[in-house]
Amino acid sequence: DAGVTQSPTHLIKTRGQQVTLRCSPKSGHDTVSWYQQALGQGPQFIFQYYEEEERQRGNFPDRFSGHQFPNYSSELNVNALLLGDSALYLCASSLYGEDEAFFGQGTRLTVV
Amino acid sequence: KNEVEQSPQNLTAQEGEFITINCSYSVGISALHWLQQHPGGGIVSLFMLSSGKKKHGRLIATINIQEKHSSLHITASHPRDSAVYICAVLFLNTDKLIFGTGTRLQVFP
Repeated sequence: DAGVTQSPTHLIKTRGQQVTLRCSPKSGHDTVSWYQQALGQGPQFIFQYYEEEERQRGNFPDRFSGHQFPNYSSELNVNALLLGDSALYLCASSLYGEDEAFFGQGTRLTVV
Repeated sequence: KNEVEQSPQNLTAQEGEFITINCSYSVGISALHWLQQHPGGGIVSLFMLSSGKKKHGRLIATINIQEKHSSLHITASHPRDSAVYICAVLFLNTDKLIFGTGTRLQVFP
């Protein structure tokens, strides 16, 4: 079992560009949650996907959007990147209705 | 308001010392996670608790539901325990984890 896998591991983008991050959940999990972790801070919830729909959303602008595919994998898209979007983006997978979550290694995004 | 507070923010210890990291939260929860994050970012789930106490090797996690407080203990600490330890809470009637800001632990030989 590969656990939760995220790609890419590191990414550098220019302000104003768009970025797509990817997450494959742990085998058997159907729910994917995305978190943003700024340097020195705890992760902040972005949104959660289940059954290919956004189920919950944190306090993030519409520039942050996502998608979940039939195989439960998920993408996080950020448009019109700002310097402040530089962070570690974490994906967590779980089984819907269950409390246990598993985390990926994260994608470190640097916006220059 | 759903809030999670951790203490201390930073902790240094000598190898072999007993470590305690604390987490307090504001309202009722369905579960509390203790997570470990090494430099580079990846998060490893150590424990998930909804009551009582759990032990895994040198790690012990306890939770007091009435006091809305949890502790993570590390016995016989080792330099490889150096990491950021994060408390994350699943509040009642929500599916999203709320994270503490983490405790940065450094264990010196």
